[in-house]
Amino acid sequence: DAGITQSPRHKVTETGTPVTLRCHQTENHRYMYWYRQDPGHGLRLIHYSYGVKDTDKGEVSDGYSVSRSKTEDFLLTLESATSSQTSVYFCAISLTSGSYANTGELFFGEGSRLTVL
Amino acid sequence: GENVEQHPSTLSVQEGDSAVIKCTYSDSASNYFPWYKQELGKRPQLIIDIRSNVGEKKDQRIAVTLNKTAKHFSLHITETQPEDSAVYFCAASRTGNNDMRFGAGTRLTVKP
Repeated sequence: DAGITQSPRHKVTETGTPVTLRCHQTENHRYMYWYRQDPGHGLRLIHYSYGVKDTDKGEVSDGYSVSRSKTEDFLLTLESATSSQTSVYFCAISLTSGSYANTGELFFGEGSRLTVL
Repeated sequence: GENVEQHPSTLSVQEGDSAVIKCTYSDSASNYFPWYKQELGKRPQLIIDIRSNVGEKKDQRIAVTLNKTAKHFSLHITETQPEDSAVYFCAASRTGNNDMRFGAGTRLTVKP
């Protein structure tokens, strides 16, 4: 087990409220990712991080922000949640590093199910 | 950007039969092609991967083939068992690009 935990695992919130999901890892992996999973779309990258305070956008970044103030924590924030952000969110870490980080195994957390009413 | 298409979306087989899932990709620079298995309510887990310098890779009952010219790759599961029932995702990425693209998934059901 690569030591990755997500919190909360389940959350129900109302439209317009802010939401923060946390991903915590214990093994000092440099690359961390946030994906969302929706039926018919597979997994889509929201944002990723390649180090403390180093982040970049993915395919579906609109409406989301991230922060990484410590190696072990990668936070995903929905500033004002909308119903279209109802989804299962997976954090992942790359088990490889450097420029080859995206050509090696991704290890996923257990997921956070978010429902926006 | 890369676009990965996966077929079929659902697949039902009898226990002991073979199952094949196919994916196509659009970026000719992609050089890494993993397959993930996701059981109901669980995290996706890597089951096999292949890099662009090989055409086939096997691991017990699972094999993956890659055709770079046609830009497609396939997952083959032989002697299927009920525990193979899950959703399978293909993906494609290339060195230096951190946006790994996934297919939409195939729900495999193995009937006992």
